Order: sequence, then C-alpha cells, then structure tokens
Amino acid sequence: KNEVEQSPQNLTAQEGEFITINCSYSVGISALHWLQQHPGGGIVSLFMLSSGKKKHGRLIATINIQEKHSSLHITASHPRDSAVYICAVRFPGSNYKLTFGKGTLLTVNP
Amino acid sequence: DTAVSQTPKYLVTQMGNDKSIKCEQNLGHDTMYWYKQDSKKFLKIMFSYNNKELIINETVPNRFSPKSPDKAHLNLHINSLELGDSAVYFCASSQALRGGTEAFFGQGTRLTVV
Repeated sequence: KNEVEQSPQNLTAQEGEFITINCSYSVGISALHWLQQHPGGGIVSLFMLSSGKKKHGRLIATINIQEKHSSLHITASHPRDSAVYICAVRFPGSNYKLTFGKGTLLTVNP
Repeated sequence: DTAVSQTPKYLVTQMGNDKSIKCEQNLGHDTMYWYKQDSKKFLKIMFSYNNKELIINETVPNRFSPKSPDKAHLNLHINSLELGDSAVYFCASSQALRGGTEAFFGQGTRLTVV
C-alpha cells in the first residue's frame, strides 16, 4: 500500500530554533513535494525534489531515495513560519496523483 | 497575477442544493486537479484532467462532476449537497502529467453545508 508518514504531527519551538520535519514513504517515488499551509490559507509549494538537496532562504529540503525518506529543515525559525507543513509524493503507477502525509503543525513562539 | 484562482473563497449553502466551484490557471499548464481537505486537514485527490481529458477519478460520489471547458479551467459541480461535503476544496495545476513537475495550488474554497 502506498503510504506517506510524517513526523512529528505537532511541533512547538522557540524563535531561532532549528526545525526538522520528517517524511517517509513506502515505495520508490518519482518526486516528493513539500507544501506549506498557513491557518485558514491556501497551499504553497515550497520544494519539489527527486534527489539530493534544495535550499531556499532559511528552508532546506533533503531526500534520501534509498532510505525512502525526506526532511524539511528551517533554520533560525520565526513566528511567521508557523503553519502546517505537508509532504506529498507521486507513486509509480498512480496516474501521477499526489498522495499526502497528514501534515505537521509547526508553532514558533516569540 | 494569481497563478491558480478559485471562486468563491467561501460558500455556505443548504443541504440538497446544487453548487459549483470555478478554477482557472494562467500558467499554461496541461493538467489540473481537484483535492478535498477534510476537517482533520487531510488532503486527498478527487479528480485530475489532462488537456480536458479526465485522467484520475477517485472514489468520489457521482454527485460530484468536474467539467473542463478548456485546459485553463476545471470547474467542480456538486449536486444534492450533503453535510459531509463540508470541507475545503483545492484546485491545482501542473505543467504536464509527469512525476517531476511542480504543482501550484489555488487558495481553496471553504464549503459549508448547513
């Protein structure tokens, strides 16, 4: 069964802390997406990865294809980073639909 | 300019009514999607169209009917609305029906059925 697991489900941090959110998936994939959703807001695509590492500002996303695992890191976290972070993957043979993790609710306190 | 736009943003309606949600993308993408986000914030695919052709149709009740008049638009029509249809519906698009293409999402439509 094609599954996407995220951890932790909830994460509370103090401003300035280094944040890591993890995503594991059950079988090989063609691409993995990290998405951000602010409370009551739309969904923004942060990264799309098929291998290696990508960096955008304070956000870093890595993927290990062999271990079927990806991490999203936030350096020097800020209260405006508070949001739900969602991992989504495209499994082979799924007609390229995205399968989503259940999300990680991040709260960064000042 | 908004890349993927949905209207309306909020929709409150009574059980049994028929309603439509519209989606338009100005990115020149070939593929568009409808996703449903339930009360627990879990996202799930409903439909996908590629160049106006239905590609993905998950186990969605027949009361939900997507319509794609052209590849820039994918509207969602819902008949005989039920309480359980209350959710946030997201439209998205991507360049092509390939695994390595980025998806762009609309702002969502919060549907409340009373």
